[in-house]
Amino acid sequence: RKEVEQDPGPFNVPEGATVAFNCTYSNSASQSFFWYRQDCRKEPKLLMSVYSSGNEDGRFTAQLNRASQYISLLIRDSKLSDSATYLCVVNKPMDSSYKLIFGSGTRLLVRP
Amino acid sequence: DTEVTQTPKHLVMGMTNKKSLKCEQHMGHRAMYWYKQKAKKPPELMFVYSYEKLSINESVPSRFSPECPNSSLLNLHLHALQPEDSALYLCASSHPGVGPTGELFFGEGSRLTVL
Repeated sequence: RKEVEQDPGPFNVPEGATVAFNCTYSNSASQSFFWYRQDCRKEPKLLMSVYSSGNEDGRFTAQLNRASQYISLLIRDSKLSDSATYLCVVNKPMDSSYKLIFGSGTRLLVRP
Repeated sequence: DTEVTQTPKHLVMGMTNKKSLKCEQHMGHRAMYWYKQKAKKPPELMFVYSYEKLSINESVPSRFSPECPNSSLLNLHLHALQPEDSALYLCASSHPGVGPTGELFFGEGSRLTVL
């Protein structure tokens, strides 16, 4: 089983649509969770952190369910510029540090 | 624009060549990373330096040799690579630990082709 699993998509949606991405992780000791965005042939960039209480940043809402080891990202009112790959990222405790484990990404295509 | 600068942006090398990838950041971060990314795959961690010391080596073949000369610079020395090593090599930096904020600052990457 992969440490972080995502639906690869692609999700092809019209402008204005609401779209949801899901992610599951296997290490119950993980403490921090994130969504990164990667545009085609560009570097990944942090989109938002994910907190147990859920958090919202404009059109983006992230949720965490620790019991189910499940993370979600909801995008409302999709824009053409939202087209990208969304990477679910989970930190993995090591001996004296952490490392980030990237999911394989979910590709989003927003069409006019 | 990213605050992590990588050079060169593109590199083509033969299997017998020796080359180096360079990375520089001036954000005062004390953790620096090398990731490898193949097409349509997520970034895979290769090495982590924390306070200029190698803290994680993800069982990377010895033909890849990292070096951290100071807190702002990170190099990846390449020797006797194979065609399957062709990929985008991403450098990143962060505050040490990564746990609390999770924010890695990535460079734009060096796209390597091994002939």
